[in-house]
Amino acid sequence: QQQVKQSPQSLIVQKGGISIINCAYENTAFDYFPWYQQFPGKGPALLIAIRPDVSEKKEGRFTISFNKSAKQFSLHIMDSQPGDSATYFCAVPRSNDYKLSFGAGTTVTVRA
Amino acid sequence: GAVVSQHPSRVICKSGTSVKIECRSLDFQATTMFWYRQFPKQSLMLMATSNEGSKATYEQGVEKDKFLINHASLTLSTLTVTSAHPEDSSFYICSARVTGGGNSPLHFGNGTRLTVT
Repeated sequence: QQQVKQSPQSLIVQKGGISIINCAYENTAFDYFPWYQQFPGKGPALLIAIRPDVSEKKEGRFTISFNKSAKQFSLHIMDSQPGDSATYFCAVPRSNDYKLSFGAGTTVTVRA
Repeated sequence: GAVVSQHPSRVICKSGTSVKIECRSLDFQATTMFWYRQFPKQSLMLMATSNEGSKATYEQGVEKDKFLINHASLTLSTLTVTSAHPEDSSFYICSARVTGGGNSPLHFGNGTRLTVT
C-alpha cells in the first residue's frame, strides 16, 4: 500500500506570506500528483496537479514543485490570503492501482 | 464541468437503522465512483470502489455487508450504511473521474455528515 507523508500538520502564516506544504511518497504506478483543498464541512476540491514531465507547475498563486528522484513534491501558496485558510491534502496514486492515497492533511491558517 | 453531487448533506439516524447516501455525476458519466470516509481532523480513507454493472470492491477492513454499494447507472452510485451504530458516525464523501485513467482528476462531492444516535 502507498505511504504518503505530509508535513507540517498545521501552519500559521501572515497575510501576504508564503505557505509551504511538503509531501513524500514511497512508490506509485502513475505519474500524477494532485493537491486538494478542503473547507470545513465540504468535500475536497482539486486545487492543482502535476505530471512529472515537468518539475514545477504554477497556477495563479499556487505552485507545485516536484522532485521525482527524491519522491517528494510540495505546494507553495504565494501571497497567502485569509480565504486560503483551509486544510490541504496531497494525494498519490497507489503502487498497485490508480486509486489515490491521501496525506494526513495540513491545516493552513492565514492571519489578516 | 465535472460536478459530483451528493445527497443528503446531513443525516441523523437512530442506532440500528439504515441510511442511504446518493452520489451523482451531474455532467459526465462515471463507470467508477469511489467512496471515502473522513473522521474529524483526519485524512480521507478509501472505503470502496463502486463499479457500474458489477460488484463493488472494498478496501481491507471495510465490511461489505455493512456498507452496501449499488452503482445502478453511469451517473448514480449509492452507499447504504446498514444497522448503523454510533461508531459509524463520520463524513462520507464520494468521488469520480471524468475518464477512467489513473492520470485524470478525481472530483469529489460535498460529503454527507452522518450522525448515529
